[in-house]
Amino acid sequence: QKEVEQDPGPLSVPEGAIVSLNCTYSNSAFQYFMWYRQYSRKGPELLMYTYSSGNKEDGRFTAQVDKSSKYISLFIRDSQPSDSATYLCAMSAVAAGNKLTFGGGTRVLVKP
Amino acid sequence: DTGVSQDPRHKITKRGQNVTFRCDPISEHNRLYWYRQTLGQGPEFLTYFQNEAQLEKSRLLSNRFSAERPKGSFSTLEIQRTEQGDSAMYLCASSVVPSGANVLTFGAGSRLTVL
Repeated sequence: QKEVEQDPGPLSVPEGAIVSLNCTYSNSAFQYFMWYRQYSRKGPELLMYTYSSGNKEDGRFTAQVDKSSKYISLFIRDSQPSDSATYLCAMSAVAAGNKLTFGGGTRVLVKP
Repeated sequence: DTGVSQDPRHKITKRGQNVTFRCDPISEHNRLYWYRQTLGQGPEFLTYFQNEAQLEKSRLLSNRFSAERPKGSFSTLEIQRTEQGDSAMYLCASSVVPSGANVLTFGAGSRLTVL
């Protein structure tokens, strides 16, 4: 079983809808939780990150971390066709050199 | 600074040949990472450097793979005697030594196709 699990999708939503993405993980040592966006044939780009449990908001994006459940979420409000991409969660632990462990990614399609 | 650069963007080779990929990180970044990504999967960690020192290698990195960062700037990833299973996107990323979150900046990747 992988350390970080993510539903591969695809997740198809109409423009303007809320996109809800999530990941589960097994390693309780993870401290930093990140969301990356990857367009086709491009490298991942960081959207946002959180430390430990709690919520963080950045524009249309909200990240939530529940360490007790080992569950993280990303919400995208007022989704746009340009949000169509693969969304990757990633996690790291300082004790493990802070290298990122990624989920498999969820493909999102926002239809106009 | 134009970000992390990778070359070549796409390499097609025959099984058994050697290939080398190059990564130029963001100039002030002292950490450099190599990841491998296959279709429909997330990136998998291969190895990373802090300056010129290779600090960790994944068990995914067989003895056919070697990575170097000779002067603490650019890095190369060489795959010897390529196999069809090596076909993947090889991603390079760089960061500064983290005092908190390790924010990696990725390049666009080098896609390897082994025939």
